[in-house]
Amino acid sequence: ETAVFQTPNYHVTQVGNEVSFNCKQTLGHDTMYWYKQDSKKLLKIMFSYNNKQLIVNETVPRRFSPQSSDKAHLNLRIKSVEPEDSAVYLCASGSGNTLYFGEGSRLIVV
Amino acid sequence: GEKVEQHESTLSVREGDSAVINCTYTDTASSYFPWYKQEAGKSLHFVIDIRSNVDRKQSQRLTVLLDKKAKRFSLHITATQPEDSAIYFCAASHTGNYKYVFGAGTRLKVIA
Repeated sequence: ETAVFQTPNYHVTQVGNEVSFNCKQTLGHDTMYWYKQDSKKLLKIMFSYNNKQLIVNETVPRRFSPQSSDKAHLNLRIKSVEPEDSAVYLCASGSGNTLYFGEGSRLIVV
Repeated sequence: GEKVEQHESTLSVREGDSAVINCTYTDTASSYFPWYKQEAGKSLHFVIDIRSNVDRKQSQRLTVLLDKKAKRFSLHITATQPEDSAIYFCAASHTGNYKYVFGAGTRLKVIA
């Protein structure tokens, strides 16, 4: 049963455009994450928020910025997309150590 | 920082046989080791985990073994079924740490 909701599921855009991905969780968790999964299926953590506070900020380009209005929402904005940003962006929420993932937002940059 | 290596990139087994997927990690402070499954076109789902205070955990057809000395852990699936076909990811983190380092994934194919 899906409890981490991501929109949009799929987005095609041109180099230089701005993109936003939205994520909402209904599990009541305090912690939310953004992961990037590339074409080889490699998973890399980008950001983690605990109760609206940024707690993990991996080395990602500055054009990426997370935004959290409350502990149930964590959005990801990409200011000026580059071809290497093409990937699936996975939102997750966590309780204890277990992560619950959304279905992903696939970004294709042309 | 932590590095997690997943040794088999692909694994094919016949239905009913067992499958074993192996991972190693580098950070001796890692204490939590989950496994996630990703079916084709879908997202990741938690399957089983193990903490460093035990060396074995079983849940139905799944068993995780942890060898802290060798910094190695493995997922054993018995009596494999076609629906076990998926990519399996191992991960490591410190307890209470929000940062999970994933392995590169093992694509398991169960052949009927």
